[in-house]
Amino acid sequence: DAGVTQSPTHLIKTRGQQVTLRCSPISGHKSVSWYQQVLGQGPQFIFQYYEKEERGRGNFPDRFSARQFPNYSSELNVNALLLGDSALYLCASSLRSTNEKLFFGSGTQLSVL
Amino acid sequence: QKEVEQNSGPLSVPEGAIASLNCTYSDRGSQSFFWYRQYSGKSPELIMSIYSNGDQEDGRFTAQLNKASQYVSLLIRDSQPSDSATYLCAVNPDRGSTLGRLYFGRGTQLTVWP
Repeated sequence: DAGVTQSPTHLIKTRGQQVTLRCSPISGHKSVSWYQQVLGQGPQFIFQYYEKEERGRGNFPDRFSARQFPNYSSELNVNALLLGDSALYLCASSLRSTNEKLFFGSGTQLSVL
Repeated sequence: QKEVEQNSGPLSVPEGAIASLNCTYSDRGSQSFFWYRQYSGKSPELIMSIYSNGDQEDGRFTAQLNKASQYVSLLIRDSQPSDSATYLCAVNPDRGSTLGRLYFGRGTQLTVWP
């Protein structure tokens, strides 16, 4: 079975632009979480979605939004990009909303110039 | 603010030695603890989970938990150069809730030299 897949792998944007990142969870997993990892730091929680509903949101501005589709895939949108948004964006899936064993995708490296 | 603290290292050990990685957490109510390994340029990979005080062993890896001291550690026995990576400690303070988020430390960089 395929693991968590994310696209694109790399992305270069300029300040003020908008970006959409995509994630497909492991087959059978219904929960998708998004994390931001800045170089040299641990991942920081952005969102969790379960059964198409937002179940949690981290300390990120409203420029960040996400959604989950009926097939459990998910998109993360970031508007009005800032230089500080440059990071590795990780998607993780788990079986249930309370299942803390997260399985991460390979991530999307976003560079904002 | 739920803090997870790790010594960022780098920690350097010779091949065959025991590597000891440490982590402390601030939320006394935390119930679930995880160790992830992250190779440079790659995503985190779950290697150990522990939920109760004591030791949890899996092959060359042993996770140790002391909730009274709010301390969790990872021991890697017979360290190999392929163990060279950043090790992330992660804590879930919300067991039983619908929120499956994890709080991560900044990671400890381990180098195993031949």
